[in-house]
Parts: sequence; structure tokens; C-alpha cells
Amino acid sequence: QQQVKQSPQSLIVQKGGISIINCAYENTAFDYFPWYQQFPGKGPALLIAIRPDVSEKKEGRFTISFNKSAKQFSLHIMDSQPGDSATYFCAAIEHAGNMLTFGGGTRLMVKP
Amino acid sequence: DTAVSQTPKYLVTQMGNDKSIKCEQNLGHDTMYWYKQDSKKFLKIMFSYNNKELIINETVPNRFSPKSPDKAHLNLHINSLELGDSAVYFCASSHQGLNEKLFFGSGTQLSVL
Repeated sequence: QQQVKQSPQSLIVQKGGISIINCAYENTAFDYFPWYQQFPGKGPALLIAIRPDVSEKKEGRFTISFNKSAKQFSLHIMDSQPGDSATYFCAAIEHAGNMLTFGGGTRLMVKP
Repeated sequence: DTAVSQTPKYLVTQMGNDKSIKCEQNLGHDTMYWYKQDSKKFLKIMFSYNNKELIINETVPNRFSPKSPDKAHLNLHINSLELGDSAVYFCASSHQGLNEKLFFGSGTQLSVL
């Protein structure tokens, strides 16, 4: 049972465009939602995260939008660059359970 | 200095063999993990160790056994390797209570022939 569903599985965006990756969850006890970025041959690395008491968090070109009522959150990459080409994972954690649950990943390719 | 390092980077072996993957972290973290990433990039937690105690053990075959000689190391032993074990295995670490902020190693690509 996949507790965090991520879409799309793959995404191709032109340089300068906006990349949007969506995630949905079922467990209302989740209270922290990080995004991880993984480059080929490397392990995932924490990119940006949000708590459910805010609707948006922005760090540079990366923005998380959070809709608590819909149990959905998304990552927006503004002015996408070829160097952003990677696999992106959304995740969620219920601190009481202390287990990070990952979405299925999105392979992003930004074309020059 | 590499924060979380695991060896080997690549491991090619025959079915039925026993192999180990080593992991070391120099971040002073007290919780370490092993994740399996399949060919579709799906990440699944296998084990978690906190202060030498196993605190999460997902439903993985008992052919897989984690061993932690100290807080900075968590090795993964795999007995009687099967074709389906082929995957990338990632070691990760975190501070206790900050399990959402994982630091991953670069992975070990295991190929079972």
C-alpha cells in the first residue's frame, strides 16, 4: 500500500519553464513533508520541506505548495535549468511513528 | 570528507553467494538506515538502527541482516543472494528525533547473476 502517491513518473520541461510535481497522501497523522533530489549515481538529498501549518514555502527557485484539506502537496521549480535534471521524491513522516515514507519518484529532464 | 560513505560502489556476484555492504557516517548521527531502490527508482526502507538497537524492521527476507559494530557503522549482510536482490542499496543516517532529515550515501549497485 503506497501511502504517498507521486505524479508524474517522468517530466520533460524546456529550459526556463516551470516544473510541477504533485503528491497526495492518505495518512492525516503525517506532519512533515520533505522533498528529496537525487542525481544519477548519487543518493537522495534533502531539498526543501514544509509543515502542514503553512500553505507555501519558497527557497530560491523551489516552492512547495501545500493543501491540507485536499491532502496534496506539490513542488514547483521556477526557471528550470538543465542542472535541475534529476529524480525528485516527495516524502511524508508521522513523528510519532518516526518512519519517512517516500513517493514513487519523478524523473525530471530539463532540455536546453 | 564524505559524510556517509558506503562500500563497495558496485557489487556483481553469482546467485547463492553471501555478500556484505559496509556503511560509515562521520556526522555524529545516532540513527542509521538501509534503503533499497529498485529499477523503477522506488525507495523502500529495510532497516533502522538507533544506538545499536534495531527499531524498524520492514518485511524483508531474513537473508538480510544488519550489523552495527558501533554508532558510526551499519553494515548489511546478505546470504544466499537471489536474482530479485539486484537493486541499489543506500545507507543513510539522521539525528535521533530528526528522522525526516536523512543523509544518504552514494549507494551500492548490486547485480546478482
